[in-house]
Amino acid sequence: DAKTTQPPSMDCAEGRAANLPCNHSTISGNEYVYWYRQIHSQGPQYIIHGLKNNETNEMASLIITEDRKSSTLILPHATLRDTAVYYCIVLYSGGGADGLTFGKGTHLIIQP
Amino acid sequence: GAVVSQHPSWVICKSGTSVKIECRSLDFQATTMFWYRQFPKQSLMLMATSNEGSKATYEQGVEKDKFLINHASLTLSTLTVTSAHPEDSSFYICSARGSGGLYGYTFGSGTRLTVV
Repeated sequence: DAKTTQPPSMDCAEGRAANLPCNHSTISGNEYVYWYRQIHSQGPQYIIHGLKNNETNEMASLIITEDRKSSTLILPHATLRDTAVYYCIVLYSGGGADGLTFGKGTHLIIQP
Repeated sequence: GAVVSQHPSWVICKSGTSVKIECRSLDFQATTMFWYRQFPKQSLMLMATSNEGSKATYEQGVEKDKFLINHASLTLSTLTVTSAHPEDSSFYICSARGSGGLYGYTFGSGTRLTVV
């Protein structure tokens, strides 16, 4: 039972903003939205997370809708090195001992 | 930031032999470590969760006698694939979580295991 839904693949031109959508319509009030990415043959890399407010860091911005049922990860100026599989994950804020559950993610391909 | 070192990055072994993979948290104490397996063109699948000083908890379908996990210290967990067979060939990834911080899931760089 997938908690998130993402498009399987997306293309984006180098230098343009990449907007990756994620649907999490069953998210509960105490669950955060996390984004990780996995470049080919490497371990996943943390990008950003948020609860209900929009967030920005040096890598990306996260826009969460007011009803929290969906979010968008924005890479403002995509480069070829941003080609990767991007995973949107919802995670209980209490943490605990649970590992992350990865869906199929979105394969983002940055075109030169 | 938090760093997790995984070693080796790749290994080739003969069928029937055992292989040990190490996962170390370099700059934080990992109260919990996780082991994942990833087959080509598939997503990561959680294999087991280990807490320092206690037995690992395995996900359904993962053979605990085949995939031995030891988490003897707060900075080291090992995964031993015993009596490896070609179908065990996969990309194995560890993740460590510290005692605080919601973004405390840090991943190692992965180990590519090929059993011939």
